[in-house]
Amino acid sequence: QQQVKQSPQSLIVQKGGISIINCAYENTAFDYFPWYQQFPGKGPALLIAIRPDVSEKKEGRFTISFNKSAKQFSLHIMDSQPGDSATYFCAASNRGDYKLSFGAGTTVTVRA
Amino acid sequence: ETGVTQTPRHLVMGMTNKKSLKCEQHLGHNAMYWYKQSAKKPLELMFVYSLEERVENNSVPSRFSPECPNSSHLFLHLHTLQPEDSALYLCASSQAPGGYEQYFGPGTRLTVT
Repeated sequence: QQQVKQSPQSLIVQKGGISIINCAYENTAFDYFPWYQQFPGKGPALLIAIRPDVSEKKEGRFTISFNKSAKQFSLHIMDSQPGDSATYFCAASNRGDYKLSFGAGTTVTVRA
Repeated sequence: ETGVTQTPRHLVMGMTNKKSLKCEQHLGHNAMYWYKQSAKKPLELMFVYSLEERVENNSVPSRFSPECPNSSHLFLHLHTLQPEDSALYLCASSQAPGGYEQYFGPGTRLTVT
């Protein structure tokens, strides 16, 4: 049973546009929600993370929005650049648990 | 070397071979992980070691055998694999306990022929 559902599977955006990736979870014990970025031939790299006590976190052009009541969180990539073309994974875990439950990933292509 | 390193980066093996994957972390972490990444599927957690003790074995077939001799090194021993085991095998590490921030290596691309 997949604990974190991610959509869309892929998206194409023009340079300068906004990329939006959505994730939903069921386990209310989750209290840590990271996003990972993976380029071809590389391992996933931690991009940004949020805890449920805040509704939004911004780091540069990347923003996580978190809706605790809806059990949803999303990644917004503002002013998308060709270098942002990668696969993005959302994940979730709860305190003291070693397991990160990953979404299936979204492949983002930014067209110049 | 910095971060998490994995060797080899690519491996082709027959179904009757025995091989090992190696992972080394240079971050001073106490927990290490093996994941399997297949196309169009979420990352699958295989094994977790915390302070060199296995704390998670996620129903992985016995043809995969992990070894963690110290907190910096992790191995995955492979024998009599199946073609469906072809995938990218990723190693990660984190500071125990909790393991929130996991740092991944580049992976070993395994092809079973």
